[in-house]
Amino acid sequence: AQSVAQPEDQVNVAEGNPLTVKCTYSVSGNPYLFWYVQYPNRGLQFLLKYITGDNLVKGSYGFEAEFNKSQTSFHLKKPSALVSDSALYFCAVRLRGNNNDMRFGAGTRLTVKP
Amino acid sequence: NAGVTQTPKFQVLKTGQSMTLQCAQDMNHNSMYWYRQDPGMGLRLIYYSASEGTTDKGEVPNGYNVSRLNKREFSLRLESAAPSQTSVYFCASSGPGSGVYEQYFGPGTRLTVT
Repeated sequence: AQSVAQPEDQVNVAEGNPLTVKCTYSVSGNPYLFWYVQYPNRGLQFLLKYITGDNLVKGSYGFEAEFNKSQTSFHLKKPSALVSDSALYFCAVRLRGNNNDMRFGAGTRLTVKP
Repeated sequence: NAGVTQTPKFQVLKTGQSMTLQCAQDMNHNSMYWYRQDPGMGLRLIYYSASEGTTDKGEVPNGYNVSRLNKREFSLRLESAAPSQTSVYFCASSGPGSGVYEQYFGPGTRLTVT
């Protein structure tokens, strides 16, 4: 069965410092990987996705993620955090050939302090 | 362009009552989804519809039914609500075809069953 894990419930960083939100996945084939962000009382918003090709994927709001097949990871990164980046972040995985089975991680709450 | 809309935003039910959650999208997407979000568990897929006229079970379908009324609308029905169905419900859509598309989420419905 496919699954995705976000090993940290909470990540705290200071404004201006780099941030990393971790994600590892477990699937039987080559996955499609996604990151979403959720602000309070809102639905999820798409940040970026990995389909194929370059392992470094750039997305919205200055975020990027690195696909590492050997470590089965897809960590979200940003070089310089903003207070406004504080939110709940979800990693998700979808199997190739199955357009509708998306599995989400439990989420990581990012807090950026001034 | 409203994206994905959901009604109602909040609902309180008593055990055994029924209700229907409404969802509509104006992006001409083929696929639509219903998720529930519970603390520490991420999003779990209840039902999805790959195209108008088709629906399929997701990870947690028990206690729910769905209707894909047309391409725009996808409703979720609770026939006999239980306290375990207290959750935040999100509708999402993706498309237009069968490629690797991100999902667009509605603002959610917060349901409490007493």
